[in-house]
Amino acid sequence: QKEVEQNSGPLSVPEGAIASLNCTYSDRGSQSFFWYRQYSGKSPELIMSIYSNGDKEDGRFTAQLNKASQYVSLLIRDSQPSDSATYLCAVELNSARQLTFGSGTQLTVLP
Amino acid sequence: DAGVTQSPTHLIKTRGQHVTLRCSPISGHKSVSWYQQVLGQGPQFIFQYYEKEERGRGNFPDRFSARQFPNYSSELNVNALLLGDSALYLCASSHITGNYGYTFGSGTRLTVV
Repeated sequence: QKEVEQNSGPLSVPEGAIASLNCTYSDRGSQSFFWYRQYSGKSPELIMSIYSNGDKEDGRFTAQLNKASQYVSLLIRDSQPSDSATYLCAVELNSARQLTFGSGTQLTVLP
Repeated sequence: DAGVTQSPTHLIKTRGQHVTLRCSPISGHKSVSWYQQVLGQGPQFIFQYYEKEERGRGNFPDRFSARQFPNYSSELNVNALLLGDSALYLCASSHITGNYGYTFGSGTRLTVV
């Protein structure tokens, strides 16, 4: 079992729709959770971080965390073609300051 | 304020050679981490350094080594390059404590031929 698993993708949504990206993790000691966006040929860019159960909203992005289910998700409202990218879920154990990444979900927003 | 800077941006090396990659963290960040990202995969943790000491090491062979300097910049060294070392090498800087994310540099694209 992979430590961090994401939807295999690719995921396509029409412009203006909600894109839902999911991630599960195996280590219950995980404390910090991040979503990164990575455009083709570029480096990952941090878009959301979440540390406690519940929802966290930032503009069109909402991160959701459920530690009991070991599940974290990212919702993108009013999706735009510029949101087309690979989204990486990353998990950190506080005892070891290193990120474990999923393989990423490629999102395409169709105009 | 400058972000995380990495050099060089691209590099082509021959099998068996040695390579040194460089990273300067965001001003005020004392922790530097290195990641390897092969095509189609998420980044994999290689090393973390804080205050010139290695604080974490991923599952990479001893051909990989790193160090951090007093100004918090860092070098990643890879010896005896293999074709499989071809990847995007990413440096990330962060505060060492507290709930802060990691900021990545633009990376070094290494191709081993």
